[in-house]
Amino acid sequence: GESVGLHLPTLSVQEGDNSIINCAYSNSASDYFIWYKQESGKGPQFIIDIRSNMDKRQGQRVTVLLNKTVKHLSLQIAATQPGDSAVYFCAESPRTGAGSYQLTFGKGTKLSVIP
Amino acid sequence: DAGVTQSPTHLIKTRGQQVTLRCSPKSGHDTVSWYQQALGQGPQFIFQYYEEEERQRGNFPDRFSGHQFPNYSSELNVNALLLGDSALYLCASSEEKLAGIYNEQFFGPGTRLTVL
Repeated sequence: GESVGLHLPTLSVQEGDNSIINCAYSNSASDYFIWYKQESGKGPQFIIDIRSNMDKRQGQRVTVLLNKTVKHLSLQIAATQPGDSAVYFCAESPRTGAGSYQLTFGKGTKLSVIP
Repeated sequence: DAGVTQSPTHLIKTRGQQVTLRCSPKSGHDTVSWYQQALGQGPQFIFQYYEEEERQRGNFPDRFSGHQFPNYSSELNVNALLLGDSALYLCASSEEKLAGIYNEQFFGPGTRLTVL
């Protein structure tokens, strides 16, 4: 399959360890932040989101942290598994009057899990 | 329940030609957005269609146009293709809910366009 991981920052972690992927955003007006996972040959897959009035949200094995002061977003993956290997993108969504907002994506980080 | 589907999977065109890409949204979804993803980059928003009209548009030239049909499916058209238009074109669908609530966008697998 095609690779979307060329020229991307890479994070290599041992299976079972925790992973932390970071993202800096630029728009102070952004209201929603979303993490997507993209495997080779596939479209981005929603992982977890967080609204700007929160600073932490937990899902199954994943936690998103939002620091609005420094415009920083992070994704923590607990007990990383080989199936977590993919490119991870953060995306931000501005406040608009419409219900479905356009997404602005970051550059992405390639996560490689070492068995 | 089928997710978002796109056709074709791959496409090769030459400079100056025109191309049409197609997208069928997830069942129950009425909003379609198109994104361009260059190799090694994050997706970039092209435009969004709702109620058969373009509602939002990113920073793309008029060579990029689209259409949404009454069954909510959508087409992306690109005229006068340039080498730089080579990319993965992603379609995302969502369901319009109350304004002010973020509606999760579900992405299709994309169409890989190569311009020679």
